Amino acid sequence: QVQLVESGGGVVQPGRSLRLSCAASGFIFSGHTMHWVRQPPGKGLEWVAVIWSDGSNSYADSVKGRFTISRDNSKNILYLQMNSLRAEDTAVYFCARDVVGLPEAWGQGTLVTVSS
Amino acid sequence: QAGLTQPPSVSRGLRQTATLTCTGNSNNVGNQGAAWLQQHQGHPPKLLFYRDNNRPSGISERFSASRSGNTASLTITGLQPEDEADYYCSTWDFSLSVVIFGGGTKLTVL
Repeated sequence: QVQLVESGGGVVQPGRSLRLSCAASGFIFSGHTMHWVRQPPGKGLEWVAVIWSDGSNSYADSVKGRFTISRDNSKNILYLQMNSLRAEDTAVYFCARDVVGLPEAWGQGTLVTVSS
Repeated sequence: QAGLTQPPSVSRGLRQTATLTCTGNSNNVGNQGAAWLQQHQGHPPKLLFYRDNNRPSGISERFSASRSGNTASLTITGLQPEDEADYYCSTWDFSLSVVIFGGGTKLTVL
C-alpha cells in the first residue's frame, strides 16, 4: 500500500534553513505529482508546494523564493528545502501524493518549530 | 491567496444528518470541483471525495458529496461518534495555479 514517511523536522532559529524529506513506497513514485502541505498548531491546512512528474513546480505566495520542492526519482524521495525560516513557518509538514491535482494520500507529518 | 469559505462549526445529534458547505468561485470550485478531507485530532487528513463526488475505496456510503455552481457540499447521514472531526474542502485554482483549502468545519456529534 501507499506509504509516505516524512523526516527532517525539528527546532530551528529564525533565518536558518532546514530540509525535509519524504520517503515514498508502495507506488510508482516517478509517475506521480507530489505536494507539501502544512498545518500550524491548532490551525487549518495550508498548501505549500507541488512538483509534477516532469519536475515543474508551483508554490504558495507565503513561501515563494524561500522554499524549494524537489524530488529524487531514483531514491523515491521528495524534498522541501526551507530557507530564511520565520516563526510563522512553524507547523506540521505533510507530504502527499496527488490525484487529479490535489493531495490524496498523506504521510503522518513532521513538526517544524521556528523559535529562538 | 484567497481560500474557500466553510462554516467554522456544525453540531448535529447522533444518527442525524449533517451537511457541510464550501464556497469558492468560478476559478476554482466552479471550474475544478472540490475535494473533501476528514481529519481527526492528531492524525493526518484522509481524502473522502475528489472532483466533487468521486469516492476513494473504503469510504463509507454514509458520506456523499455534490456541487452546485461555486458551492460544494458534503453530507453525512446517520451520524456516529467517530464522524466527529474537522472537515476541509480543497481544490485547484487555475487562475492562481495553486491548491487552496477551506478553513475547515469542526463537526460535533451530540
